[in-house]
Order: sequence, then structure tokens, then C-alpha cells
Amino acid sequence: DSGVTQTPKHLITATGQRVTLRCSPRSGDLSVYWYQQSLDQGLQFLIQYYNGEERAKGNILERFSAQQFPDLHSELNLSSLELGDSALYFCASSVREGQETQYFGPGTRLLVL
Amino acid sequence: AQKITQTQPGMFVQEKEAVTLDCTYDTSDPSYGLFWYKQPSSGEMIFLIYQGSYDQQNATEGRYSLNFQKARKSANLVISASQLGDSAMYFCAMREGWGKSTFGDGTTLTVKP
Repeated sequence: DSGVTQTPKHLITATGQRVTLRCSPRSGDLSVYWYQQSLDQGLQFLIQYYNGEERAKGNILERFSAQQFPDLHSELNLSSLELGDSALYFCASSVREGQETQYFGPGTRLLVL
Repeated sequence: AQKITQTQPGMFVQEKEAVTLDCTYDTSDPSYGLFWYKQPSSGEMIFLIYQGSYDQQNATEGRYSLNFQKARKSANLVISASQLGDSAMYFCAMREGWGKSTFGDGTTLTVKP
């Protein structure tokens, strides 16, 4: 158990819908990272937050947004969902930013029908 | 160009033998971190080992060691005394700067009894 929690574990929804994925980092970790893992794209970095501020952006679509709240939990919002958004979404956390070890949550498996 | 290259899609090893999983990387940033993660069939991402670009010695964590050859830009993972539970997908990753991480396509390791 990494100490990072993600809810829900599984999510099934329809195209065009909007969903919110939630992540609670390990106690004391200030950085949160979001990743998408799909069969065709592999593991892709989406976005990073540090202590509430956006710090780095990867291959995140405009239909996706994220934020980190004052209690350091983070949410990833996915809107206008398409079939291709079906993937495993991971959240990871680290103590600080930089070349710090990231600990991954169990992931949220999203299926868009 | 691929930033992280894992040339072995699949590897087999006999139980109790050592195995090396290859990883080469490409960056012009003098400061970076290299990571290996294990992803069993259950899906979670498990941190194994970290090597900083300025670290003089190769990282070791139990049965895992990282063979870091900076001039050749390689960061191979060595697993000693393989166990059946080591069967999983292994990802090499690199972090440059403050947050952006890049993952390789992974190597599926199968340990034979």
C-alpha cells in the first residue's frame, strides 16, 4: 500500500458525459501527479500540482482539467468523454517536486461506452 | 525521438537467476532522475528504484540494482535471484526539471519455475 488513495476504483460512463476522479496523496506529500495509461498510448504524464499550484503540464487534453485543493487532495475532471478516453488513470504523489520518488495510487479504471 | 527506450517487449528468466532489463534515455538536461516501476497484473504501479543524474554510485534496493552508465545514457535494471512474484511489466521512467515524467513502453518479465 503506497498511501495514495484514489476513488472510485472503477467508473463506467457514456460518451459525452463528465466525470471526476479523486486523489488523496500520502500524508506529508505536497506534489500530486496525474497519469493516463491506455493500451495504445502507454503511460502518459498529464499534469502536476505542487501545494495547490499547477507546476507542469504534459499531454493533457483541453477537455480535461485538474486542481489541487488546500487540503492537498486533487481532482481530475474529464468532460465530453470519448471512447478513446477509456484508460487507467493514476495519481501519484511525492514529498516535494524535482527528482523525487513518486508513489502511485491504485488507479481509477474508466470505461467509456 | 523517444525519450525513454525499452527495447525488450518481453523477457523470460529462470527462477533464482538474475535478469537485466534494458533502458536508454535521451535528455539534454544535466539534472534528471531515473526510475523503475513494476506493474503486476493487478494494475498498481510499484516504485522499485531511483537514480539521480548526479549520483556517483549505482542505486541498489534489496534484489534490485540500477546499472547507470551516464555516458551511454543507459539505466538498466538488474533483478537478482528472480522469484515467481517478479513476473510483471517493468517501466523505466525519467523526470526532467520539476515535474514532467516520461515512461518507456515497458518490458514484460516472465519468471519460469
